[in-house]
Amino acid sequence: GAVVSQHPSWVICKSGTSVKIECRSLDFQATTMFWYRQFPKQSLMLMATSNEGSKATYEQGVEKDKFLINHASLTLSTLTVTSAHPEDSSFYICSARKGKRNTEAFFGQGTRLTVV
Amino acid sequence: KQEVTQIPAALSVPEGENLVLNCSFTDSAIYNLQWFRQDPGKGLTSLLLIQSSQREQTSGRLNASLDKSSGRSTLYIAASQPGDSATYLCAVGSGGYQKVTFGIGTKLQVIP
Repeated sequence: GAVVSQHPSWVICKSGTSVKIECRSLDFQATTMFWYRQFPKQSLMLMATSNEGSKATYEQGVEKDKFLINHASLTLSTLTVTSAHPEDSSFYICSARKGKRNTEAFFGQGTRLTVV
Repeated sequence: KQEVTQIPAALSVPEGENLVLNCSFTDSAIYNLQWFRQDPGKGLTSLLLIQSSQREQTSGRLNASLDKSSGRSTLYIAASQPGDSATYLCAVGSGGYQKVTFGIGTKLQVIP
């Protein structure tokens, strides 16, 4: 299967600082990538859909100024958590599709963010 | 808005038993359905992908079925092993950009 690499796998940061998470499709081009967040004992919730070369589409309730998404190339999307607070502590995971329709979604390993 | 429900939320079985995990979704206009496995604190491992035109997929001891019209899917695990212990997630691809909507998962424990 295709490989999606996410970095870092875990990060601890101080409250008020910003953290950038990278999502790369290693062996395919992904026109669309997705960012999810998972709180303990809850399901993965879609935060935003990222399209190469255009603005991300955010789900209702997700602050676009706080969670900055950049999809600068067909193999890289980044999520920046700005001015992080302890309530932003969560498991963030990205996914990418190889093609446009009816294709399997491949997921990164996830990033555990802890804000202290 | 697509909603995905998984039953049961948790399941504990003795090793060797066959078991069925259930998934239901509210909007039958789906592109595909995937079953994933998630180990504690880890990412997702894709187990099976069923396209909307298919009725089932098999991989080793795993068999997933899809009844799109009734909005249901099942994951059948044969001869369960302790290594199968994990949370199993059902995810449905639908809507624009084929958003993936996840269920909350079934936490499986296989007792040796």
